[in-house]
Order: sequence, then structure tokens, then C-alpha cells
Amino acid sequence: SQQGEEDPQALSIQEGENATMNCSYKTSINNLQWYRQNSGRGLVHLILIRSNEREKHSGRLRVTLDTSKKSSSLLITASRAADTASYFCGEIQGAQKLVFGQGTRLTINP
Amino acid sequence: DTAVSQTPKYLVTQMGNDKSIKCEQNLGHDTMYWYKQDSKKFLKIMFSYNNKELIINETVPNRFSPKSPDKAHLNLHINSLELGDSAVYFCASSQVFGKRQTGNTIYFGEGSWLTVV
Repeated sequence: SQQGEEDPQALSIQEGENATMNCSYKTSINNLQWYRQNSGRGLVHLILIRSNEREKHSGRLRVTLDTSKKSSSLLITASRAADTASYFCGEIQGAQKLVFGQGTRLTINP
Repeated sequence: DTAVSQTPKYLVTQMGNDKSIKCEQNLGHDTMYWYKQDSKKFLKIMFSYNNKELIINETVPNRFSPKSPDKAHLNLHINSLELGDSAVYFCASSQVFGKRQTGNTIYFGEGSWLTVV
């Protein structure tokens, strides 16, 4: 299997600014999922975008998908200190395997 | 109630020992997983079970043996531990992933920090 990549690997911004993270994936997907991991915790599902969707919103989160470039982006608007975490995109490879990249470590500075 | 619980949370052990990590989910899911997260935060799937049947077995040394006594439990036994086994191991579950399933969310446990010394 091949893992995708998140970019940047680390991002540090001021509270209130927007944070954008990008993800490139390897296979032809049915859907792509974004997860958050707080320090010392497990991953928590944030949002899923299907291959026939180009953009999806959930609260302050906005996800885009470009299947021609095999890339996705996660935008967090009006960032808060509580958004400090690592963010992972996951692609389903084959029928039953969710594969993650290395993640982007986001730090929100007060 | 914790949806996916795994024990122990921290485990420090010597090389060569055998250890187990237990996982239980109370979500009624059919599919369970073990993931390994290394020091660089790469998260790699190790195993997947669907209703007690092994469906994914990545290139994992055979020192790692998953056991699923029922669909709510998936334990991970590791023999002859090596330094390189030090990592965080995550148990997870979901409803069945199948060819027609396109939107199943995976629920993760809090992780088990394994340190081999």
C-alpha cells in the first residue's frame, strides 16, 4: 500500500487566523476522510467528502477535493487554541483499508 | 461510556518479553482494526477483522498475533518484543467496510503507548 502525504508537516498560526492543510492521496477514492488527533489521544473523525463532491462544510471546517490532482484541503476558519492538534487525511484503499499520511501538526498561538 | 477502550494505556517492558494489548468496542460494529503510530506520527494499519474473521493483514512480523474472541473484542499479542516495536498502538472499529460502503467512520481508542527497553 502507499500512504498519502499531508502538507505542511507543521503549521503555526495566531489565534483567529485561518489554517489550511493539504493532502495528496494515491488511489482512486470513493471518499476521503479527515481526522484530528489531540496530543496523547486517539483520532477523531471530522468530515468525509465523497469523490463526486468538490467541497463540503462543517461548522468552521471546509474541505475541498480535486480528484484530477488527487488532492484535498482542509481549511479551519477563525482558529482557536483548542484547534491545536494533528490533522490526518485518510483514503480508502481497496474495499476495506483506511490509509493515513503523516499528518499536519497545527499549533494555534494565543 | 467509552466507545473503543484499550488497555493498558502505558506499557514498558524489556526486549524479548511477550505482551498483550486488549481492545473492546461497545458500538455494535462488525469491523475492528489495529493501527501502529511511530515516532514520526505515521499511522499504519496492521490488521483488520470483520466479525471475528481476519480480512486485512499488512506486512507485519508474525510476532504480532491478533485474536478476536468475538466481534466486540480484538486483542493484540506481541511475542519476543524488539526495540523497534516501541510505538503507540491504536485499536479502532467501524461498521462493515465493503465494496459498496463509502462512508463508514472509524472510531479510535485512546492508544496504548508501548516502550521496549
